[in-house]
Formats: sequence, structure tokens, C-alpha cells
Amino acid sequence: GAGVSQSPRYKVAKRGQDVALRCDPISGHVSLFWYQQALGQGPEFLTYFQNEAQLDKSGLPSDRFFAERPEGSVSTLKIQRTQQEDSAVYLCASSLALTSYEQYFGPGTRLTVT
Amino acid sequence: AQSVTQLGSHVSVSEGALVLLRCNYSSSVPPYLFWYVQYPNQGLQLLLKYTSAATLVKGINGFEAEFKKSETSFHLTKPSAHMSDAAEYFCAVSDRGNTDKLIFGTGTRLQVFP
Repeated sequence: GAGVSQSPRYKVAKRGQDVALRCDPISGHVSLFWYQQALGQGPEFLTYFQNEAQLDKSGLPSDRFFAERPEGSVSTLKIQRTQQEDSAVYLCASSLALTSYEQYFGPGTRLTVT
Repeated sequence: AQSVTQLGSHVSVSEGALVLLRCNYSSSVPPYLFWYVQYPNQGLQLLLKYTSAATLVKGINGFEAEFKKSETSFHLTKPSAHMSDAAEYFCAVSDRGNTDKLIFGTGTRLQVFP
């Protein structure tokens, strides 16, 4: 079956531009997570959705970062006025339910801010 | 708060040799622990997980890990390395809070020499 997909796979943005990153989770998965992976580092949590509700956004680094999942399936991570420090791989993961403890990751979007 | 520490950012082994990747955790609650593998330009794939059942956990591709509470460790092993095992490996702990977000270590890059 289809896994988690993300688009675009690569994005180059000039500093100050807005970007939108898309995540298509596995069909039927209730939970959706966004992580940020800087070069040479492990992924770091950004935000969590249970269906359409954003229950945790404690990892978003600034108010320039915004995420939504309006219909409880596809999610979009938006970064406004991009800065060089936003350059990273953005990973999306989904899981069947809150207590399933198994997250399935997409291939990520590599964002480069120039 | 939960955290994991991976000892050794790089590990090199010969093909056929034992693979040992180290992970120590810190957790205020009984931990749920995970090992993920990441191949270049791909997302993370779950190798195995510990969720308080058997302390010796077997995963995919011949990997296994043993949960040792007394040592707060969850080291990953494989008896005989294969060239295809070359990748980045991440240990993670679930926060087991409202979101079950994962807290990752900084990763260990495994190189396998012929």
C-alpha cells in the first residue's frame, strides 16, 4: 500500500520567501507529526495533529512556522519569511492511533534557504 | 523529561563482523524505545521497538536490541554485518505524554567495509 508521501522533495527558497510543504499520510492514520532534521542531527519534533486538531505545537521554533490539517488527512507546514537557519529536512510521520507507537515516515522535504 | 544519548557518531565494521550501536536513555516514566534506520535521501524506517514486553526485541534485517533497565541502555546489535547495512541509525524514546512524539538521539553512521 501507499506510504507517507511528501512534496516537494526539494525546495530552494530565497531568504524572506514563504514556503509550503505538503504531507499525505497513510490513509486512515489518525496521528500526524512534523519533525525538523538539521544536517548531521536527529529529527526534532515540531508539531502534532490528532485528526484535524493540532494538539501540540510546542516544537515550532517561531511564529513564522504554521501547520494545518483541515480535513484530518493532508497536512501543510508553512514557513513565512524564511531564514537561513530554516534550512533542513522536514519529515512528516503518521501513525494509526495515539497509542500505536509506530510512526511511519515520509521521505522528507529538503529545504535550502539561500 | 525523556532523552537518549547515542555513543559514537561513526562506527565502522568489516562485512561479517558484529555490529554494536549504543544507546542510553533517560526517562521519568517506563520508556518506550525505538531504533530507526535512515538511508541517504530517504525517510526513517522502523527497525524495532520496545514497549515493555520482552526485553530482547528482534527487528527487521537481523537486528535486535536488549532493554537493560539497570544500565538504562537499549543497544542495537547484529551478529554479521552486510554491506547493505551501511546507513544512519537513530535511537528514540517516546514521550508517552499526550502526543507520543519521539525524542531522537543524534544518530550513528554505520560504515561497512568489504
